[in-house]
Amino acid sequence: KAGVTQTPRYLIKTRGQQVTLSCSPISGHRSVSWYQQTPGQGLQFLFEYFSETQRNKGNFPGRFSGRQFSNSRSEMNVSTLELGDSALYLCASSRDRLQETQYFGPGTRLLVL
Amino acid sequence: QKEVEQNSGPLSVPEGAIASLNCTYSDRGSQSFFWYRQYSGKSPELIMFIYSNGDKEDGRFTAQLNKASQYVSLLIRDSQPSDSATYLCAVKRNTGNQFYFGTGTSLTVIP
Repeated sequence: KAGVTQTPRYLIKTRGQQVTLSCSPISGHRSVSWYQQTPGQGLQFLFEYFSETQRNKGNFPGRFSGRQFSNSRSEMNVSTLELGDSALYLCASSRDRLQETQYFGPGTRLLVL
Repeated sequence: QKEVEQNSGPLSVPEGAIASLNCTYSDRGSQSFFWYRQYSGKSPELIMFIYSNGDKEDGRFTAQLNKASQYVSLLIRDSQPSDSATYLCAVKRNTGNQFYFGTGTSLTVIP
């Protein structure tokens, strides 16, 4: 069974641009969560999607948004990029909202210059 | 106050020793507790989770939970150099599907 896939793996953007990251969960998994990981703050929860609906949102500004498609694939978008948005963005999938096991993708490393 | 706090380390233990990793959490409503391992440049992978007070063993790993003290720990017996990684503690509340992670403890096992 294929794992969680994320594209692209690496991105370089400049301040003010916007970026879209993609996540394909494990087949059969319907819950997708997004996290931002930085050396100083660690792993911080961005949002969770289930059945194409955002179920939870972390404490991030409105520049961070996401969506989920009917095939459970998810995208997150960051608009008006800031230097502080440089981070590893991780996507995790689980079968449903009650399942305890989350499987992480390899991440997208974003560098904002 | 952070939801989950861990000592960032680094923690160094000799090969074959027991490594002890600790974590505290702030929300008494937390229900589930997780330990992830993250190798440098890789994504986190789940080691084990625990719900109930007491110990839970899985191979060389033992998770310990004390809800009264809001404390969870991970013991790694017979530590191996391949255990060298950052260990992340995560907590899930009894509502929603949001995980709160600590910043991780870096462990080095010295051959």
